[in-house]
Amino acid sequence: DAGITQSPRYKITETGRQVTLMCHQTWSHSYMFWYRQDLGHGLRLIYYSAAADITDKGEVPDGYVVSRSKTENFPLTLESATRSQTSVYFCATADSKINTDTQYFGPGTRLTVL
Amino acid sequence: GQNIDQPTEMTATEGAIVQINCTYQTSGFNGLFWYQQHAGEAPTFLSYNVLDGLEEKGRFSSFLSRSKGYSYLLLKELQMKDSASYLCAVKHRGSTLGRLYFGRGTQLTVWP
Repeated sequence: DAGITQSPRYKITETGRQVTLMCHQTWSHSYMFWYRQDLGHGLRLIYYSAAADITDKGEVPDGYVVSRSKTENFPLTLESATRSQTSVYFCATADSKINTDTQYFGPGTRLTVL
Repeated sequence: GQNIDQPTEMTATEGAIVQINCTYQTSGFNGLFWYQQHAGEAPTFLSYNVLDGLEEKGRFSSFLSRSKGYSYLLLKELQMKDSASYLCAVKHRGSTLGRLYFGRGTQLTVWP
């Protein structure tokens, strides 16, 4: 049972390039989330999704695009990467059928923008 | 947004007990989570409180007082492997899609 996976785990790119971070889950959870984690800021929500084709902005959506054509995948795209987007990115899922909405996190992608 | 406060850092000795506090301000509280995050790893779920009182789970316990907007995570019989960041997260009654609001985390260092 793979659970939730993210790829790549590490990525170095240059300013202005487009980058896509992948998130895949095998649990069939309805909810999926993208966070970034930076020193001094904790986890900040970028985008989230209730189901396929339903997405919404979080706290820090500028410069990012998401899509969710299938329940199991939730890719995050940086359209034109900037140095300020250097961060660790976590994908998370939650099961809408369970009232607690406990979120389960993927292993993270460490992105460096030069 | 939500106002969630935790101490930035704490230290303790192996075998001791440590209490990590979390205070929050929200107009529609609907649950509080604690997560553990080791350096370079993903956060992992520890506990969930929605009613007042203490929830015990092995060496870890979590307490909630909704009237005071206060929670704590109690770690007993500390081990070196408990050195990690502990994240408090609040669920807001008006939030959609299971959204959580996270504090900045408390970095706990356990010394031998």
